[in-house]
Amino acid sequence: DAGVTQSPTHLIKTRGQQVTLRCSPKSGHDTVSWYQQALGQGPQFIFQYYEEEERQRGNFPDRFSGHQFPNYSSELNVNALLLGDSALYLCASSLVGALNTDTQYFGPGTRLTVL
Amino acid sequence: GENVEQHPSTLSVQEGDSAVIKCTYSDSASNYFPWYKQELGKGPQLIIDIRSNVGEKKDQRIAVTLNKTAKHFSLHITETQPEDSAVYFCAASINTNAGKSTFGDGTTLTVKP
Repeated sequence: DAGVTQSPTHLIKTRGQQVTLRCSPKSGHDTVSWYQQALGQGPQFIFQYYEEEERQRGNFPDRFSGHQFPNYSSELNVNALLLGDSALYLCASSLVGALNTDTQYFGPGTRLTVL
Repeated sequence: GENVEQHPSTLSVQEGDSAVIKCTYSDSASNYFPWYKQELGKGPQLIIDIRSNVGEKKDQRIAVTLNKTAKHFSLHITETQPEDSAVYFCAASINTNAGKSTFGDGTTLTVKP
């Protein structure tokens, strides 16, 4: 049973650039949530995608955008990168309609460094 | 919005001892409380969760308790082992299809052999 996968593992960008991170949900899951985890802190919710639409969003600027594809995989895009965007970006998947729709499974994350 | 506070930030115990991590939350509508273990270079791994209709849940050496009146919940690890060393996070969310989780800032647990 394939778990949540993310790519790339690590990424280095410079300020002002744009970045795209990718996530494939756990087999059978249809919902993807993205989190940002700064060093030494807990993950912070960015947004969630279901049925190819953004369903809920946390307190992140419009520079953060996403997409979900028909196969349930998802992308996180960040424009005009700032030094403060350096973090571990985590993807979590879940299944709407399951008995426990809130149970999430996390991927290993993408470490983004902005120089 | 929801706010989750977690204590202590670091915890060191001897192998075989028990470890307790406590969290408080602010939104009385929250009804799902998972605990995650995060090892270096990895994503958070769900280790146990509890819902608001239950006061306690146990899975082998791990147990979680929930006090909805006081808005706090705790993780208990008994007979700790060196491989329990990791960062532990609590979280709170509302069990809806559009739910999102609010995390605490984590507890670094070190189990000394």
